[in-house]
Amino acid sequence: RKEVEQDPGPFNVPEGATVAFNCTYSNSASQSFFWYRQDCRKEPKLLMSVYSSGNEDGRFTAQLNRASQYISLLIRDSKLSDSATYLCVVTYYNQGGKLIFGQGTELSVKP
Amino acid sequence: DAGVTQSPTHLIKTRGQQVTLRCSPKSGHDTVSWYQQALGQGPQFIFQYYEEEERQRGNFPDRFSGHQFPNYSSELNVNALLLGDSALYLCASSLVGQQNNEQFFGPGTRLTVL
Repeated sequence: RKEVEQDPGPFNVPEGATVAFNCTYSNSASQSFFWYRQDCRKEPKLLMSVYSSGNEDGRFTAQLNRASQYISLLIRDSKLSDSATYLCVVTYYNQGGKLIFGQGTELSVKP
Repeated sequence: DAGVTQSPTHLIKTRGQQVTLRCSPKSGHDTVSWYQQALGQGPQFIFQYYEEEERQRGNFPDRFSGHQFPNYSSELNVNALLLGDSALYLCASSLVGQQNNEQFFGPGTRLTVL
């Protein structure tokens, strides 16, 4: 079983739609959680951190459920520019800066 | 403020050859991590360097080695290349002790092994 699992998609949605990505992680010792965005053939970039209380950044909302070992990302009012691959990332206690990535979920927003 | 830079951008090698990839961290950062990203997969952690020493290592064979220089730049070396080593190699830099341990990625080196 992979340490971090995501639905690979692709998710094809119209502009203005709301789309949700899910992610599960296997190690309960996980410390920090993130969503990264990766455009085609580019490097990953941090989209947002995920906090236990849930957090929002404009159209993006991230939530964490430690009991279920589950992370989500909600994108409201999708834009064409949101088309990218979204990577779920966790780090663990006592493992310094090692980022553990899911395989990513591809999103394509259509006009 | 210069971000993370990597060289070369693309590289083509044949099986059995050796390759060296280079990375310069973001200004002010002291830690460099290397990741391998195969097509359609998320990046996989190779190793991390801090204070010129390998601090952590992922599940990669000894053919993968690295180095960090006093100016914090880093190299990734891969010996005896296999077809399966074809991937995007990403370098990420960070600063020890920074909040959330945010890592900034370079544009990557795309390695093709024929």
